[in-house]
Amino acid sequence: AQKVTQAQTEISVVEKEDVTLDCVYETRDTTYYLFWYKQPPSGELVFLIRRNSFDEQNEISGRYSWNFQKSTSSFNFTITASQVVDSAVYFCALSEGAGNQFYFGTGTSLTVIP
Amino acid sequence: DAGITQSPRHKVTETGTPVTLRCHQTENHRYMYWYRQDPGHGLRLIHYSYGVKDTDKGEVSDGYSVSRSKTEDFLLTLESATSSQTSVYFCAISSGGDRSYEQYFGPGTRLTVT
Repeated sequence: AQKVTQAQTEISVVEKEDVTLDCVYETRDTTYYLFWYKQPPSGELVFLIRRNSFDEQNEISGRYSWNFQKSTSSFNFTITASQVVDSAVYFCALSEGAGNQFYFGTGTSLTVIP
Repeated sequence: DAGITQSPRHKVTETGTPVTLRCHQTENHRYMYWYRQDPGHGLRLIHYSYGVKDTDKGEVSDGYSVSRSKTEDFLLTLESATSSQTSVYFCAISSGGDRSYEQYFGPGTRLTVT
């Protein structure tokens, strides 16, 4: 079973539209960590945010915001007023357990059309 | 940017040959990771290291071995490469030293096994 599910494989939006990328995770641990990464067309992976399981406060960073809801095991990512530079593949990831196991979702490819 | 380099950046090899990929960091971080990225699978953890000579398996470790003789270097070896190991390989380091911290990734190595 997938530990991290990103059901949206590809999304296209027109510039300046808002877009939400969904992430649903599965874990039995009470302590875990969630992450979002961005992979632009150039291929590098860029860290965006980390959230621990005890902090359900939503976070906003500029045009980016994250909604963490333990009740639905979701950690969704919203881009407000999207720009062409936001075009990338976005990955959600989970870290759990006593070891260092990290699980990534399969990614959502976002295309922002000018 | 975190000081992580990978070598080689591109490699083409034949089935059955051994291949070693190198990850080098200048950050003196304890934790290092090897992932592979494949379409439809996102990133999957192959092996990780939590110190010199301390390594453990990840989700997809079969067919791979690792070694870490120095803090700064983490080697990934394919003893006998197969076509199913054609992939993009990413090395990562943990910014804070353990799984609760975000990872910073190297530029990736594109490996083709013919």
